[in-house]
Formats: sequence, structure tokens, C-alpha cells
Amino acid sequence: AQRVTQPEKLLSVFKGAPVELKCNYSYSGSPELFWYVQYSRQRLQLLLRHISRESIKGFTADLNKGETSFHLKKPFAQEEDSAMYYCALQTTSGSRLTFGEGTQLTVNP
Amino acid sequence: NAGVTQTPKFRVLKTGQSMTLLCAQDMNHEYMYWYRQDPGMGLRLIHYSVGEGTTAKGEVPDGYNVSRLKKQNFLLGLESAAPSQTSVYFCASSYSYGGHTQYFGPGTRLTVL
Repeated sequence: AQRVTQPEKLLSVFKGAPVELKCNYSYSGSPELFWYVQYSRQRLQLLLRHISRESIKGFTADLNKGETSFHLKKPFAQEEDSAMYYCALQTTSGSRLTFGEGTQLTVNP
Repeated sequence: NAGVTQTPKFRVLKTGQSMTLLCAQDMNHEYMYWYRQDPGMGLRLIHYSVGEGTTAKGEVPDGYNVSRLKKQNFLLGLESAAPSQTSVYFCASSYSYGGHTQYFGPGTRLTVL
């Protein structure tokens, strides 16, 4: 069965500092990987997915199949980036997402 | 479009009581999902549906039942609530699988005393 691990429950950085949220997965096939974000008092929403290879709000994520990782990065964090971030995996034949435990990011002024 | 809506937003139950959570979507999505969100455990899939009249079990289905009588609605039932079911419940929908975005509702905060 597939599994997603986010090793950091809490992450705190200062405004302007680089930030990296770690995500590791275990799955024997070729996964589809996503980052979802939940801002305070808002619903969960898609931030980005690896098949799009796009940058959203300055965030990027690269799928590293050798290390089975999909870390989320931003070179200069902003206070409005403070939120809960979830990494999620979907198997190529599946209809379900498997979520990690989530990382609460706080960007301090 | 309202997207995905959930009713109610908050609810307090006593142990043993029953209730139904309603999820509705107006995007003509085939797939619908119910998750629970607990601190330190992320989102865990309870049940899901790949089309009208179909349902399937997720990771944590025990104590819950679901029905999808209409394409736009997905109901989650608790027949006999337990304190372990205190959680925030999220509904989501997607057009299909294989990389399609899931759209989430605002959540229902349920407390079982």
C-alpha cells in the first residue's frame, strides 16, 4: 500500500528566508503527487501537482523518484504563506488520494 | 457556482446519537469523497464514490455509512456516535481520477460527548 510521510509537523521561518517542506512517499508504481494547502479559516485547496511542473505563489516541487521525495520549496517566504500544507499521492490506477500528516508552516515577520 | 458545500458546519452529539452529514457539489463531478481530519494524522479517507449509486470503503470506514442516491449529493451517516468520531469532516469531489484536482468543502466540526 502507498504511504506519504511529512516528517515535520511544525516549521517556523522568518519572512524572506527560504523554506522547504519535506514529503517522502512509498509506492511501487509511478505516482501522481500533489501539494494541498489550508489557510486559516479556509478550505483545503490544491497548491500544485507535479505533472503540471508549474510554480504557484512562488512555490515549486520536484519529484525525485530515486529518493521517493516531493519536497515543496520557496526561496523567499512571505507571512501570507503561513498555513497547513499537505502532501498527497494518487496511484495511476487509483481513484483516491493518500495524504501525509501535514506540516504547519509559520512565517514570522 | 457554489462548488462543494457541507451541512451542517458544526454539531455536538451525545454518545449513541445518530446524524447525517450532507455534501453537495454543483460541478457535475463523478467522484466524491469523505475525509476526517485529526491533529497529527492528516486527512484520512472514510468512504468514497465513483458515481451515482456506488460507494466504496476508504481507510477508516468503521462506524460510518454513506449513500450517493443523486450524483450531486454524498451523505455520511453516523448510526451510533462515539467520542472517537470527534473530528473535522471534509467532503471533496473530482471530475475523475488520475491526476484530477479534488475540490474540498468547508468542513463540518463534530464533537461527540
